[in-house]
Amino acid sequence: GENVEQHPSTLSVQEGDSAVIKCTYSDSASNYFPWYKQELGKRPQLIIDIRSNVGEKKDQRIAVTLNKTAKHFSLHITETQPEDSAVYFCAAHGFQKLVFGTGTRLLVSP
Amino acid sequence: DTEVTQTPKHLVMGMTNKKSLKCEQHMGHRAMYWYKQKAKKPPELMFVYSYEKLSINESVPSRFSPECPNSSLLNLHLHALQPEDSALYLCASSQATALYEQYFGPGTRLTVT
Repeated sequence: GENVEQHPSTLSVQEGDSAVIKCTYSDSASNYFPWYKQELGKRPQLIIDIRSNVGEKKDQRIAVTLNKTAKHFSLHITETQPEDSAVYFCAAHGFQKLVFGTGTRLLVSP
Repeated sequence: DTEVTQTPKHLVMGMTNKKSLKCEQHMGHRAMYWYKQKAKKPPELMFVYSYEKLSINESVPSRFSPECPNSSLLNLHLHALQPEDSALYLCASSQATALYEQYFGPGTRLTVT
């Protein structure tokens, strides 16, 4: 089955810096890769996603890149703000289900 | 309506109790999911319903019993739970099971005493 690894587990940045979170997956058949943000005590919220026929996607300060050959994808957040502080989960969608990475706790200090 | 709702928000139950968690969506989605999330861990898939039929059971103990009465509702019946079952139970829905965004409900915080 699919296995998703996510790094780093914790990331501390200063406000205004960029943050990058990386994930690798094992199943070459996976073809949909969403990213979720989960604030403390809240539900996971989809922030951006990418499908296997696209290499990069951007939405304001957030971008995701996908390298299908290497089986890795990354989340890039520019101009970070304190409200970006949360746990971020990557996921890979194989046959019928999402498999999540282990999460990255992002802390943005003012 | 673009939201998944769950009730109750919090639930405390003893190991001999029977209780149910409820999930509802009115987005016309035909796939619904139950996830379990422990503190500082990712959501862990339990069950998938596709067009009101159970399509995936991730080897979940029988003390958890899912039910999908119609395309908008999903229940999780709980019986004889263990303290280690204490967790946040999340419901999600998507248009279908393949390649579609999953939207999560706010979850039910379950404590088993």
